[in-house]
Amino acid sequence: QKEVEQNSGPLSVPEGAIASLNCTYSDRVSQSFFWYRQYSGKSPELIMSIYSNGDKEDGRFTAQLNKASQYVSLLIRDSQPSDSATYLCAVDTGGGNKLTFGTGTQLKVEL
Amino acid sequence: DTEVTQTPKHLVMGMTNKKSLKCEQHMGHRAMYWYKQKAKKPPELMFVYSYEKLSINESVPSRFSPECPNSSLLNLHLHALQPEDSALYLCASSQQGSSAEAFFGQGTRLTVV
Repeated sequence: QKEVEQNSGPLSVPEGAIASLNCTYSDRVSQSFFWYRQYSGKSPELIMSIYSNGDKEDGRFTAQLNKASQYVSLLIRDSQPSDSATYLCAVDTGGGNKLTFGTGTQLKVEL
Repeated sequence: DTEVTQTPKHLVMGMTNKKSLKCEQHMGHRAMYWYKQKAKKPPELMFVYSYEKLSINESVPSRFSPECPNSSLLNLHLHALQPEDSALYLCASSQQGSSAEAFFGQGTRLTVV
């Protein structure tokens, strides 16, 4: 079983819709969870971090964490074509300073 | 603008060459990392410098050698690489601790010929 799993996509949504990206992880002791956005040929950019169960909102982005289900998600409201990218879920699997990434979900926002 | 700076942005090297990748962070972080990313794959951790100690992913071959001159600088020395080592090499930094957010540099696109 992979440590961090994501659906590779592509996930296609129309402009203005809500995009929902999901991630599951296997290590129950993980405490820190991150979402990165990566455009083709560029480096990952941190967009959200979440440490406690529940929702965390930042602008159009909402991260959701459920530690009992070992599940973390990212919602993007009012999706824009500029949101088209690969979204990487990252989990701290080393008790600090060891991020393990999922394979990423490619999001396409269509006009 | 990123506060983690990597040089060079692109590098082409032969299998007998020796080269170095450089990374500098201006965020006052105490942990720095090297990741390797192949096309359409996630970043894979190679090395971590944290609490002035080096942690190594044991699967990384010895032809890659990290060096940390100080808490702001992290180099990756390359020697006798293979074509399969061609990838995007990413440097990142964070505060120490499990809640630390890691910030990436722009990466070095390495091609081994």
